[in-house]
Amino acid sequence: AQSVAQPEDQVKVAEGNPLTVKCTYSVSGNPYLFWYVQYPNRGLQFLLKYITGDNLVKGSYGFEAEFNKSQTSFHLKKPSALVSDSALYFCAVRDRNGNTGKLIFGQGTTLQVKP
Amino acid sequence: NAGVMQNPRHLVRRRGQEARLRCSPMKGHSHVYWYRQLPEEGLKFMVYLQKENIIDESGMPKERFSAEFPKEGPSILRIQQVVRGDSAAYFCASSPPGGTMNTEAFFGQGTRLTVV
Repeated sequence: AQSVAQPEDQVKVAEGNPLTVKCTYSVSGNPYLFWYVQYPNRGLQFLLKYITGDNLVKGSYGFEAEFNKSQTSFHLKKPSALVSDSALYFCAVRDRNGNTGKLIFGQGTTLQVKP
Repeated sequence: NAGVMQNPRHLVRRRGQEARLRCSPMKGHSHVYWYRQLPEEGLKFMVYLQKENIIDESGMPKERFSAEFPKEGPSILRIQQVVRGDSAAYFCASSPPGGTMNTEAFFGQGTRLTVV
């Protein structure tokens, strides 16, 4: 069965420090991978995606993510966190071999950046 | 170019009533997805529609839930005889034709359904 795991319910970092939000997946074959961010009472905003090519993907607001095929991971990173980065982050996968575009989401990780 | 529009933003229904949630995809998008987000959980896929066709409804509950995306007008997610367990945020996402698999989906702001 396809699944996505975000092992940390919450991540806390100080402003200016690097942050990592972890994501691992279980999908047959090579998936498409996505990160979305959700602010309170808002919809999901796309951050970045991995389709093919370079394992390090750069996205919006200074975020990046590294695809690691051997570890089936797609961790989200940012070199220097901002208080405004505090939000709920979702990792999602899409089966490349599927015939629909449905996304399978992790349960989300709340990022708290303290001043 | 307006984003994905969902209405209403908030909907309160008494048990046993019907809930109708609307989604207008981004201009030019012909693929619509509905997801449900229960409190403290991630989003769960419900249904994938193209104009006038249901492509994948594997995530839809077998009873009381239905969805449509007519040739004209918004996509509708309909929940009949709502129960308290239906209380959740319902998100619609759209993507353009032809590039579904490697294209990011664009999400609306959601409809928060509360069943009292």
